[in-house]
Amino acid sequence: GAVVSQHPSWVICKSGTSVKIECRSLDFQATTMFWYRQFPKQSLMLMATSNEGSKATYEQGVEKDKFLINHASLTLSTLTVTSAHPEDSSFYICSASLGTGAGNTIYFGEGSWLTVV
Amino acid sequence: GDSVTQMEGPVTLSEEAFLTINCTYTATGYPSLFWYVQYPGEGLQLLLKATKADDKGSNKGFEATYRKETTSFHLEKGSVQVSDSAVYFCALNTNAGKSTFGDGTTLTVKP
Repeated sequence: GAVVSQHPSWVICKSGTSVKIECRSLDFQATTMFWYRQFPKQSLMLMATSNEGSKATYEQGVEKDKFLINHASLTLSTLTVTSAHPEDSSFYICSASLGTGAGNTIYFGEGSWLTVV
Repeated sequence: GDSVTQMEGPVTLSEEAFLTINCTYTATGYPSLFWYVQYPGEGLQLLLKATKADDKGSNKGFEATYRKETTSFHLEKGSVQVSDSAVYFCALNTNAGKSTFGDGTTLTVKP
């Protein structure tokens, strides 16, 4: 079964509204999760590192006030796209690592397709 | 910074043909290397991984060997099937947990 679960899988929202995407680690605690974005027919780009109990670390060029990340517990990180616009339509996917170190398995969520109309 | 360079696509093959998708990387330290597959409209699935030099990852007939001397992790399959049609991503991961992806290679297998 899924080790990292995202919800919702698909969401359509109106321009100007906000939408929240959840990323949950199942059966393990994740002090760090990662959020990626994928535009159609492009690769995945890291948006931010979500740190439990502290502020997220954003990659260069990612607006932290637009993409709010909250990692309130060891099993849940949320990404809120605020005042969404059509150009925010994309595939958003999270990941979490079981354990630490480069050799540990990284689990990706199923991803969330956001369409802003 | 870390980077992954993948063979440009798209790649079109006939069923039962041999597949190679090249992947080279640049990284500080000793990363783990991964191949992911993404089917249309779906998320990422881990295909295989290798965590140290000379390791070979394999799954579903796909193989890739971690070559430190050439900083490569080429994906191979001896006989592709139509069901292998998908986008393949090469990626690396460091101790920081962040994944760096290549641009992806679209594979189409025709019957």
